[in-house]
Amino acid sequence: EVQLVESGGGLVQPGGSLRLSCAASGFTFSSYAMTWVRQAPGKGLEWVSSVNGGGSRTYYADSVKGRFTISRDNPENTLYLQMNSLRIEDTAVYYCARDEDFDFWSGLSDHWGQGTLVTVSP
Amino acid sequence: SYELTQPLSVSVALGQTATITCGGDNIGSRPVHWYHQKPGQAPVLVIYRNTNRPSGIPERLSGSNSGNTATLTISSAQVGDEGDYSCQVWDSTTHVVFGGGTKLTVL
Repeated sequence: EVQLVESGGGLVQPGGSLRLSCAASGFTFSSYAMTWVRQAPGKGLEWVSSVNGGGSRTYYADSVKGRFTISRDNPENTLYLQMNSLRIEDTAVYYCARDEDFDFWSGLSDHWGQGTLVTVSP
Repeated sequence: SYELTQPLSVSVALGQTATITCGGDNIGSRPVHWYHQKPGQAPVLVIYRNTNRPSGIPERLSGSNSGNTATLTISSAQVGDEGDYSCQVWDSTTHVVFGGGTKLTVL
């Protein structure tokens, strides 16, 4: 059974940093691209970032480009999102999701974690 | 940038058919995916590439896509179908685009 468990969320001040983790199990982690999607309180889903199965290609939404860094540790079956220069508008539940293929080419995420809440507040 | 438009809410009587639309410029030329999200839970993929159901998704859910509108149809609506439904497409510039989500209420 595919399982994705996020951690690392919490309360942080504007301008601060946070690193999210997503522990994966139940599938061959290195064979799949992985994605972070966020959802602000009462709002819709917003794609944040993706990385291919090998970790060599990364992709970012304009809203986080230059501030967030996605990475993965395939031997440890873990996905990361390093978030720097956090803003109030980054407040959201952050979900990690498995993509359908090794390469990030369709945006189709077939399994999702339960999410971790990031709150950016003074 | 490419945009997807969904109605904020849709209501359906128990056992009747609900339709949720997703509008976009020539969306019929793009594969559309649909996700269902219950309050406090993670999204679940319910339809992929316009018409396909992942294993475990009931046949009551179906999708179509043509012209400027993609549609998710839920037949014999049940209380368990309530929640938010979001459409998604791939865009070559912005990569992943989600619609704003539609809240389905079963009366």
